[in-house]
Amino acid sequence: QKEVEQDPGPLSVPEGAIVSLNCTYSNSAFQYFMWYRQYSRKGPELLMYTYSSGNKEDGRFTAQVDKSSKYISLFIRDSQPSDSATYLCAMSWMDSSYKLIFGSGTRLLVRP
Amino acid sequence: NAGVTQTPKFRILKIGQSMTLQCTQDMNHNYMYWYRQDPGMGLKLIYYSVGAGITDKGEVPNGYNVSRSTTEDFPLRLELAAPSQTSVYFCASSYSYRGQETQYFGPGTRLLVL
Repeated sequence: QKEVEQDPGPLSVPEGAIVSLNCTYSNSAFQYFMWYRQYSRKGPELLMYTYSSGNKEDGRFTAQVDKSSKYISLFIRDSQPSDSATYLCAMSWMDSSYKLIFGSGTRLLVRP
Repeated sequence: NAGVTQTPKFRILKIGQSMTLQCTQDMNHNYMYWYRQDPGMGLKLIYYSVGAGITDKGEVPNGYNVSRSTTEDFPLRLELAAPSQTSVYFCASSYSYRGQETQYFGPGTRLLVL
């Protein structure tokens, strides 16, 4: 079993839809949760950072962490064609030298 | 700030050849990382460094070497290239305190070993 599981997609939605992206994990030591966005042939860039459980909102993006279920989500409201990219979840733990464990990424396509 | 820069952008190597992938950051970050990304496989950590002169192995270090003589530079060396090293390589850097450990990635180096 991988430490972090993520559906590879692709996920295709019409413009304006609400998108839900998810990751599950097995290591209960994870405390820091991130979502990165990666456009084709580019490096990943950080979208959202969350510590422990709870929700965090930033514009059209909402990150949720449910540590009891070992499940994290990223919601995108009013999705735009410019949101078409691969979304990678990443996790870290205390005393990890800030190393990250990445999911394999979900490819999202937002159709105009 | 240029952020994290990587050279070259693309390289073709023959089996058994050597090369160095260059990575430079201008954000004065202590921590630097090398990842490889294979299709559909996410990012795997190769090596990382917590400061000049200090490096450690990640998840997939075999076939690679690193050095960190300055804060800014973190080159990755492939000594005897193998087809299994065909991948996209990303360098990243980060601050070294909690809440600010966002990793900033370079644009990547695409490597093809034939």
